[in-house]
Amino acid sequence: GESVGLHLPTLSVQEGDNSIINCAYSNSASDYFIWYKQESGKGPQFIIDIRSNMDKRQGQRVTVLLNKTVKHLSLQIAATQPGDSAVYFCAENYSGGYQKVTFGIGTKLQVIP
Amino acid sequence: GAVVSQHPSRVICKSGTSVKIECRSLDFQATTMFWYRQFPKQSLMLMATSNEGSKATYEQGVEKDKFLINHASLTLSTLTVTSAHPEDSSFYICSAHDRAQETQYFGPGTRLLVL
Repeated sequence: GESVGLHLPTLSVQEGDNSIINCAYSNSASDYFIWYKQESGKGPQFIIDIRSNMDKRQGQRVTVLLNKTVKHLSLQIAATQPGDSAVYFCAENYSGGYQKVTFGIGTKLQVIP
Repeated sequence: GAVVSQHPSRVICKSGTSVKIECRSLDFQATTMFWYRQFPKQSLMLMATSNEGSKATYEQGVEKDKFLINHASLTLSTLTVTSAHPEDSSFYICSAHDRAQETQYFGPGTRLLVL
């Protein structure tokens, strides 16, 4: 059921600065990782993904870093814009798990104009 | 890009009634769809995996008789919340796996409020 009083971790950044959102994943067997952006009242939107045979992948204004040793994932957003304000979730997938994706707890990004 | 739709986008119902939510993949075939539930300020929690032509696989703690899933075609999965109660009020999100693209696409979600 609903947990009263639970708050998502929040990251506040100034417009134009770079943002770094961190995530720790749980399953050492996971071999595919995805970052999603979720705006209020909407479904998750794919941002970028990375497979376990890589440690870095770049997209447009976004970079994902993977450290399998410590089971850590990060999302870097360059030149953060007000439209980047949302909740960001990392998700992990194990290819033997029939495409089942497990979501992390999420981080709320607030961009200060 | 591929689109997944959900209907309705929001629904209000009385306690004890049943509510059906549809999830459609609009331009690809999805043998596997997933249903998630999200409470305010929380993450998405997987409820079940919907497989076309076979029974759904439910996550631990999710009652299969309360959350009925039907995946009758390659583009449609439905979730029926039976005998809904106020604690079932939540944001229900589906996703569909596009095997050709090896990608999962999410629907826009359905907001359920049970009075």
